[in-house]
Amino acid sequence: GQNIDQPTEMTATEGAIVQINCTYQTSGFNGLFWYQQHAGEAPTFLSYNVLDGLEEKGRFSSFLSRSKGYSYLLLKELQMKDSASYLCAVRDQRNYGQNFVFGPGTRLSVLP
Amino acid sequence: NAGVTQTPKFRVLKTGQSMTLLCAQDMNHEYMYWYRQDPGMGLRLIHYSVGEGTTAKGEVPDGYNVSRLKKQNFLLGLESAAPSQTSVYFCASGQRYGYTFGSGTRLTVV
Repeated sequence: GQNIDQPTEMTATEGAIVQINCTYQTSGFNGLFWYQQHAGEAPTFLSYNVLDGLEEKGRFSSFLSRSKGYSYLLLKELQMKDSASYLCAVRDQRNYGQNFVFGPGTRLSVLP
Repeated sequence: NAGVTQTPKFRVLKTGQSMTLLCAQDMNHEYMYWYRQDPGMGLRLIHYSVGEGTTAKGEVPDGYNVSRLKKQNFLLGLESAAPSQTSVYFCASGQRYGYTFGSGTRLTVV
């Protein structure tokens, strides 16, 4: 089976940098995704990693180490609107390679 | 562009009633998914489809059925609703990189 762990909650200050970690166990890794979800809204896609290394997209970066089963999402220059839950999701090879498992999410609070 | 549209947005059912949730996408995506989200549990995959006429079971398929008769539509059915199916249901569609979620259906079974 699969298991994905993330911290439940994190707090950071506006303008700071925060790193949200995700560890996973899976058989047949087929990609790791990060989503942002504001309270009461749908998740929105942030990033995708399938090879080891860092993917940068504006203020957001995501890192993957497949050998360690580890990823992190890095948010720079935090803004109040970044207060949300951040979901780590792993896709595996089962069933046409489209089986997703989501972590429980990390609720980030950005304080002024 | 509408993206992914879910109907209805809210519904209250009595135990034992049946209903169908509709998901429609206008992005010509092959892959479509149904998730449920419960407090403290995260998103859990119910069923998904990799193309018109195909469906597959996810992590929590029991009590649900799905159909993908047209590429743009993915239906989720509850044959006999139970209180344990009270949840927020999200549909998503996508290709290989990045997926778009619908706005969700909040279902309460009493």
